[in-house]
Amino acid sequence: KAGVTQTPRYLIKTRGQQVTLSCSPISGHRSVSWYQQTPGQGLQFLFEYFSETQRNKGNFPGRFSGRQFSNSRSEMNVSTLELGDSALYLCASRTGTGVSPLHFGNGTRLTVT
Amino acid sequence: QKEVEQNSGPLSVPEGAIASLNCTYSDRGSQSFFWYRQYSGKSPELIMFIYSNGDKEDGRFTAQLNKASQYVSLLIRDSQPSDSATYLCAVNTGFQKLVFGTGTRLLVSP
Repeated sequence: KAGVTQTPRYLIKTRGQQVTLSCSPISGHRSVSWYQQTPGQGLQFLFEYFSETQRNKGNFPGRFSGRQFSNSRSEMNVSTLELGDSALYLCASRTGTGVSPLHFGNGTRLTVT
Repeated sequence: QKEVEQNSGPLSVPEGAIASLNCTYSDRGSQSFFWYRQYSGKSPELIMFIYSNGDKEDGRFTAQLNKASQYVSLLIRDSQPSDSATYLCAVNTGFQKLVFGTGTRLLVSP
């Protein structure tokens, strides 16, 4: 079974721009979660989508948004980028029901200059 | 109070020793608990999960859960240098949100 696929692997953007990250979950997984990882803050939860609906949301500003499509693929968008948005963005999928662990993709490394 | 707390370490153990990693959580409604390992520059990978009080063993790894005291631990027996990594504790809260601790860095010396 293919794992979680994230694209692109690396991104360099300028302050004020916007960016869209993509995630394809493991086949059969209906839940996709997004996390931001920085050296100082660790893994911070952004949001989780399940069957195209946002099920949970972390404490991030509205500049961070996401969506999930009918095939469970998900995108995350960050608008008006700030220097502090530089981080590793991790997507993870799970079945979404019962005790279901997250399976992570390789992440997208975003650098904002 | 943070939702999930771990000692950042580093925890240094000699090869062959038992490494003990601890995690406490604040939400009493939490139902399931996960341990992930993350090598530098890589994404987290699942080691094991537990949802019943007591111990759960998988090879050299044992997860221990005490819901009354709100802590979960991971024991690594016969530690190897290849076990050197950051270990992340994750808790599925009452709102079905998986919250991670900041991780404990483990160093196993030959």
